[in-house]
Amino acid sequence: AQKITQTQPGMFVQEKEAVTLDCTYDTSDPSYGLFWYKQPSSGEMIFLIYQGSYDQQNATEGRYSLNFQKARKSANLVISASQLGDSAMYFCAMKISGGGNKLTFGTGTQLKVEL
Amino acid sequence: DAGITQSPRHKVTETGTPVTLRCHQTENHRYMYWYRQDPGHGLRLIHYSYGVKDTDKGEVSDGYSVSRSKTEDFLLTLESATSSQTSVYFCATSKRTGQGIDYGYTFGSGTRLTVV
Repeated sequence: AQKITQTQPGMFVQEKEAVTLDCTYDTSDPSYGLFWYKQPSSGEMIFLIYQGSYDQQNATEGRYSLNFQKARKSANLVISASQLGDSAMYFCAMKISGGGNKLTFGTGTQLKVEL
Repeated sequence: DAGITQSPRHKVTETGTPVTLRCHQTENHRYMYWYRQDPGHGLRLIHYSYGVKDTDKGEVSDGYSVSRSKTEDFLLTLESATSSQTSVYFCATSKRTGQGIDYGYTFGSGTRLTVV
């Protein structure tokens, strides 16, 4: 069975600073995908970034980048130049090939950006 | 038109009452899912569907049943609601992807269910 671990229940960062949200995963399947979602206080789930297990380069999307270290089974999200609007809950998730296309989520990290 | 619509958005019900939550999609996605979100647990899969009339259990399926009679609709039923089923319920859809970028799921806005 696959598992996602997010060990930081809460994080604080100052505006304009970079922040790293940790995510480790466990799976024996060689083909998998890793996702990060943002959930603001309004409750919707917003897709941020995706990394495939066979991707050679770390994924980037604007101010978001994914620090993918396959040997360590980690997929940390890096947010550069934090903004007040980045304050939200962030979820790491994993999907393995086959198996109903199911996403397994971590418990989330609550990020608060301060002035 | 929203891609995924959940109804109702909020519901308060009494213990022992049956409750049905509806998820309607216009994405024509094959896969549909029901998750519950609770503090400290993230999102946990209740049931999912991989086609019309094809459903399977997730990790927290006890006390829940689902039905999918049309591609567009996925219903979640709590046969006899309990206080432990107080939660926020999310419906999601996905299409099977091949190589390349994968956007994972499209989520509904959630249903906040309170069982008193």
